Amino acid sequence: NAGVTQTPKFRILKIGQSMTLQCTQDMNHNYMYWYRQDPGMGLKLIYYSVGAGITDKGEVPNGYNVSRSTTEDFPLRLELAAPSQTSVYFCASIPTRTGRNSPLHFGNGTRLTVT
Amino acid sequence: AQSVTQPDIHITVSEGASLELRCNYSYGATPYLFWYVQSPGQGLQLLLKYFSGDTLVQGIKGFEAEFKRSQSSFNLRKPSVHWSDAAEYFCAVGPSGTYKYIFGTGTRLKVLA
Repeated sequence: NAGVTQTPKFRILKIGQSMTLQCTQDMNHNYMYWYRQDPGMGLKLIYYSVGAGITDKGEVPNGYNVSRSTTEDFPLRLELAAPSQTSVYFCASIPTRTGRNSPLHFGNGTRLTVT
Repeated sequence: AQSVTQPDIHITVSEGASLELRCNYSYGATPYLFWYVQSPGQGLQLLLKYFSGDTLVQGIKGFEAEFKRSQSSFNLRKPSVHWSDAAEYFCAVGPSGTYKYIFGTGTRLKVLA
């Protein structure tokens, strides 16, 4: 199993451009998450999904959109990139069948710079 | 409100010295607690977790953590630090509601040779 795979690893965007951060997992996990990590701020939840076709907002959803058409994929869309979206983005998933003590499985992150 | 506090932003220790990273939480029910480690350019890797039973839990890479309900703490320890332990460490609690996890702001560990 590859686990959680994120692409691209790095990206530089100009203000106002759009892009999609890709996330796919091959573990058949139902729950998937998008976090952003900023220095000294820890991880903030952007969006999460409890299964195909179901998504919900986290703490910092503004400026982002998500979709979940399959169990495996959970892409994050930035429509109008802003400098405040410069961050490292992590996708994660959990195997909900094992209950609430399930740890998150993380991808290796996408480092995004908006200039 | 649920929260996790890691009071130390940076910690520097010498190789071979002992280590303790602090984590305090605020949570309405019995917490599920986790420690993750993040090496530069990498995602977060689970070190250990606590959800019930023995309050001293063992993890990978020689780490352990002790759950103290009376102090709302879940401190991470290692008896002898190796240079490869230099990384950022995150404490997390959860999940609450619909499987949301709350992370602390992290402690960056530097190891001196």
